[in-house]
Amino acid sequence: NAGVTQTPKFQVLKTGQSMTLQCAQDMNHNSMYWYRQDPGMGLRLIYYSASEGTTDKGEVPNGYNVSRLNKREFSLRLESAAPSQTSVYFCTIGQEVPYGYTFGSGTRLTVV
Amino acid sequence: EDQVTQSPEALRLQEGESSSLNCSYTVSGLRGLFWYRQDPGKGPEFLFTLYSAGEEKEKERLKATLTKKESFLHITAPKPEDSATYLCAVHSGNTPLVFGKGTRLSVIA
Repeated sequence: NAGVTQTPKFQVLKTGQSMTLQCAQDMNHNSMYWYRQDPGMGLRLIYYSASEGTTDKGEVPNGYNVSRLNKREFSLRLESAAPSQTSVYFCTIGQEVPYGYTFGSGTRLTVV
Repeated sequence: EDQVTQSPEALRLQEGESSSLNCSYTVSGLRGLFWYRQDPGKGPEFLFTLYSAGEEKEKERLKATLTKKESFLHITAPKPEDSATYLCAVHSGNTPLVFGKGTRLSVIA
């Protein structure tokens, strides 16, 4: 997915471990978002950043922290991973209108 | 609170068999309704934005329409390569997009 790079693509963690999911964009958008996608639950917003230096909670923020490092980068941190955080995580960028968001290719995280 | 409900959850079609996917929404003030396509193992890809009731947009075999309460994604004479999950999302006020759970479409040759 051109413009949004997520790392890593796959990760397996043990319960209680911590990790940071990285997202970088080269499209010069102000807004960046983290969603998680689970079977039967759809895409749910975790956190977002409307501009450099600002972050806001979404629908499911518990257990996560974020950092908007600069205009290009927006990271998502799991301080103490739990099995309930097993999911596919998508970083997205852009304004809602007119073209919606551009998605990264996702990070598939398994917590055992 | 914005809500989006997509139906059916899954749809299986024969190649050439036209059908429609539904997206019902409840928002305080719609600023845009979006359709995305998602292939397995990939991120969603943008298809359409609709802004007001009566609006229609087309792309190849896909046509999206909008009323005050729902949107339809019509698929005419589908091909196996149209198999994917189709996601609907809404935007209202200054909040980020709210997504439905998607419809998983399978087109059988």
